[in-house]
Amino acid sequence: EPEVTQTPSHQVTQMGQEVILRCVPISNHLYFYWYRQILGQKVEFLVSFYNNEISEKSEIFDDQFSVERPDGSNFTLKIRSTKLEDSAMYFCASSEVRGPRDEQYFGPGTRLTVT
Amino acid sequence: AQKITQTQPGMFVQEKEAVTLDCTYDTSDQSYGLFWYKQPSSGEMIFLIYQGSYDEQNATEGRYSLNFQKARKSANLVISASQLGDSAMYFCAMRELTNFGNEKLTFGTGTRLTIIP
Repeated sequence: EPEVTQTPSHQVTQMGQEVILRCVPISNHLYFYWYRQILGQKVEFLVSFYNNEISEKSEIFDDQFSVERPDGSNFTLKIRSTKLEDSAMYFCASSEVRGPRDEQYFGPGTRLTVT
Repeated sequence: AQKITQTQPGMFVQEKEAVTLDCTYDTSDQSYGLFWYKQPSSGEMIFLIYQGSYDEQNATEGRYSLNFQKARKSANLVISASQLGDSAMYFCAMRELTNFGNEKLTFGTGTRLTIIP
């Protein structure tokens, strides 16, 4: 069964450093998403991406964040200058269609720890 | 305002018993979708079940069923014959349209379910 993959599974970085989280969505999916889950809290929407551009972003997704689909398979989230409060689990998701039944398939997540 | 409310932060259930996890939602959309995800201690998000706002029948997927009461805006997850492997965090989520016509999932705060042998 096709699945969303994410690398790395765990990333430790120092405050102020740039990190790139990588995702490979399911191959025939067209809509891509990043979500964040701070430890012990609920999952929060960050950004959605379609047709090579951001379609929606939350207030969390400030200028420190960017997303890119550099080739036909990868979908990346970049945090330019990490802060302690960026420590969280980051989930990539993708969906084939957009509509009432657009099940979003989640990747296993990348746990980011900023020290 | 809370869009998805899960009022049970934690539940303990005896193995083989049925369990109901509560979820209420708030939306003015006519077309929306409701999802349940399971998050084990390893952290991944596992899709369990989906209910569309226009679906007349309650959704079922194996041991999982969704008790959808549209007028009450509730979408409770029922797990029958619980197993030790069901111990996990469970999140209710709603697909909603944003102001720009895009879609996103909004999650509740989750319920931590522990199955007791």
